[in-house]
Amino acid sequence: SAVISQKPSRDICQRGTSLTIQCQVDSQVTMMFWYRQQPGQSLTLIATANQGSEATYESGFVIDKFPISRPNLTFSTLTVSNLSPEDSSIYLCSVRRTEGYEQYFGPGTRLTVT
Amino acid sequence: AQSVTQLGSHVSVSEGALVLLRCNYSSSVPPYLFWYVQYPNQGLQLLLKYTSAATLVKGINGFEAEFKKSETSFHLTKPSAHMSDAAEYFCAVSDRSAGGTSYGKLTFGQGTILTVHP
Repeated sequence: SAVISQKPSRDICQRGTSLTIQCQVDSQVTMMFWYRQQPGQSLTLIATANQGSEATYESGFVIDKFPISRPNLTFSTLTVSNLSPEDSSIYLCSVRRTEGYEQYFGPGTRLTVT
Repeated sequence: AQSVTQLGSHVSVSEGALVLLRCNYSSSVPPYLFWYVQYPNQGLQLLLKYTSAATLVKGINGFEAEFKKSETSFHLTKPSAHMSDAAEYFCAVSDRSAGGTSYGKLTFGQGTILTVHP
C-alpha cells in the first residue's frame, strides 16, 4: 500500500480566491491522480499528474481552472482557481504503483466556498 | 469506454444479516475491478480487487466478491453484517491497456450507502 497525506484537510475560502492542495506520498510512485467528489456524489477524475511533464486532464476540466504540479515522484499539488460555490467539494489525491492496478487514496481535502 | 453501475444507492440490513451490494460493469477490454469503502469524513480504502486470477476474491473485514464475466457483474457480499460496516461503498473499473493517457484510470460507480440496524 502507500501512506498518503493531504494538506489542508479542510478549508473555507471566499469566492474568487484560489486554494492549493498538497499531496505527499511516503514512497516514490509513478502515477498520481486528482479526483473531485461533489456533495453526495461519486468520484470524478480531474487529471493524471505526470512527473516531469504536464498533467493530463479529463474532459470538462482545464488547466487554467485546475493547475497541477508534480515536481518529483512523491509530491503533487492541485490548485483550484477563481473559486465559486460550485467548487465546494472533497478533493482527493491517489497513487498507483507500477506493480499493481489498484489506487490508494489520501484522506481528502474538504473545500467550502462562500 | 468503461462504466460502472451500482444498483441501489441505499441498502439497509440488520446486524448479522447478509450484505449484498451489486455492481455491473461495461468495458471493451478485460477489466480490473475494485471495491472501495469510504467512512464518513475519510478517504477511500481498498476492500478487494479482481485482477484475473481467481474469480472469487476475498478482501478485508470479511468481504468478498465474485467476478462473473457472463453477467458482467462484480457483486460484493459479506455473510454477516456488523455495525462497523456502515459506510459508503464504491465499485470501480480500470482497463488493462498499457501506456496512453488513460493508463490506470479508475471509473467509479455512483456508490451505495450501507446502513446496518441493530
